[in-house]
Amino acid sequence: DTEVTQTPKHLVMGMTNKKSLKCEQHMGHRAMYWYKQKAKKPPELMFVYSYEKLSINESVPSRFSPECPNSSLLNLHLHALQPEDSALYLCASSQDGTRGADGTQYFGPGTRLLVL
Amino acid sequence: GNSVTQMEGPVTLSEEAFLTINCTYTATGYPSLFWYVQYPGEGLQLLLKATKADDKGSNKGFEATYRKETTSFHLEKGSVQVSDSAVYFCALKTSYDKVIFGPGTSLSVIP
Repeated sequence: DTEVTQTPKHLVMGMTNKKSLKCEQHMGHRAMYWYKQKAKKPPELMFVYSYEKLSINESVPSRFSPECPNSSLLNLHLHALQPEDSALYLCASSQDGTRGADGTQYFGPGTRLLVL
Repeated sequence: GNSVTQMEGPVTLSEEAFLTINCTYTATGYPSLFWYVQYPGEGLQLLLKATKADDKGSNKGFEATYRKETTSFHLEKGSVQVSDSAVYFCALKTSYDKVIFGPGTSLSVIP
């Protein structure tokens, strides 16, 4: 099973709402990622969790708050977002975060977020 | 710094035409190289990869060879189909857990 699942598929929220995006994988991968993708652009890395610890935060605004409850789950909590945060949010996982692993990432289908 | 450059397109081809999408990279050390494909409305899927110089990655009729001397990883397919219409991203992995993507190349294949 090489599947990464994400819920919800679509989300519309106001600027005062709080919502969460969820990601799940059952491949035994120990690294998980959040990316933001705008239309016609490559994914932009937001966060990396390795062995359930936050290892990379690409200077993401605090209105985005990641959480890794266990090795299979990754959440992204959203609060007080701005319209420019509207994008496709992609979750990915890879086998291992250590050097020597080839770094193949498996992506979920994404959550398409619209902030009004 | 580390970077990936690829032709941005859009590229429009007729069915059964030959496809080449150029990708060059700048990196320290010996990165792993990838091609990912994104179909409309979907996430990214790994198309093929190569982890060391002279390796050839292949999948679904697509091929790319890791050329260290020219720092390139060009994607080729001998005969494209309408179903190949998508955005193709060249990418590399350098240090611990960070993948760098090229800007993407949009491909449209017309019958």
